[in-house]
Amino acid sequence: DAKTTQPPSMDCAEGRAANLPCNHSTISGNEYVYWYRQIHSQGPQYIIHGLKNNETNEMASLIITEDRKSSTLILPHATLRDTAVYYCIVRVAAFGNEKLTFGTGTRLTIIP
Amino acid sequence: ETGVTQTPRHLVMGMTNKKSLKCEQHLGHNAMYWYKQSAKKPLELMFVYNFKEQTENNSVPSRFSPECPNSSHLFLHLHTLQPEDSALYLCASSQVGNSGGELFFGEGSRLTVL
Repeated sequence: DAKTTQPPSMDCAEGRAANLPCNHSTISGNEYVYWYRQIHSQGPQYIIHGLKNNETNEMASLIITEDRKSSTLILPHATLRDTAVYYCIVRVAAFGNEKLTFGTGTRLTIIP
Repeated sequence: ETGVTQTPRHLVMGMTNKKSLKCEQHLGHNAMYWYKQSAKKPLELMFVYNFKEQTENNSVPSRFSPECPNSSHLFLHLHTLQPEDSALYLCASSQVGNSGGELFFGEGSRLTVL
């Protein structure tokens, strides 16, 4: 699976959009971009994933650049409950075991 | 009960004790996983079970012994652990064959080895 690079930490004001970047310059054509988050001392929570098109769900939007070498997770109206570590993972969705490899992620702090 | 449930949530044990961590998923999934999260380290995959069969052992020491009696239950048996084994142990499940690729995690069992 391709390696990802994320900033170690970010702050965002409550109510503003939080934009979390991820670089994955070695991504292969069949690798998806996944985002998970982990609130302190809880299990990680799936947020969203995509291949090449932008995706949106009730939690967030995922913007993938045309060359697929980077992506941005957008939380449109951040709340204090969005304070967490956010993980960007790239992998092949091989219809098999989901052996996700987690990196160190970005620690997002929402400021009141 | 919904989702993935882990018990106990907290466990303190001595190095000579034998204990077990339990995980139960109520999602009808057919794959289950154990992950370990040590302080200030990324999550590490330990074991993978696919349709009750172990398909991955990520070089885990034998003092950790997994058991998967059916698709809904997963255990991690612990014996003669070391203090460095203190960590948050996370169970997850997924549906093999679903290209969504989502892992559903439990809340974790926080283990302290004295």
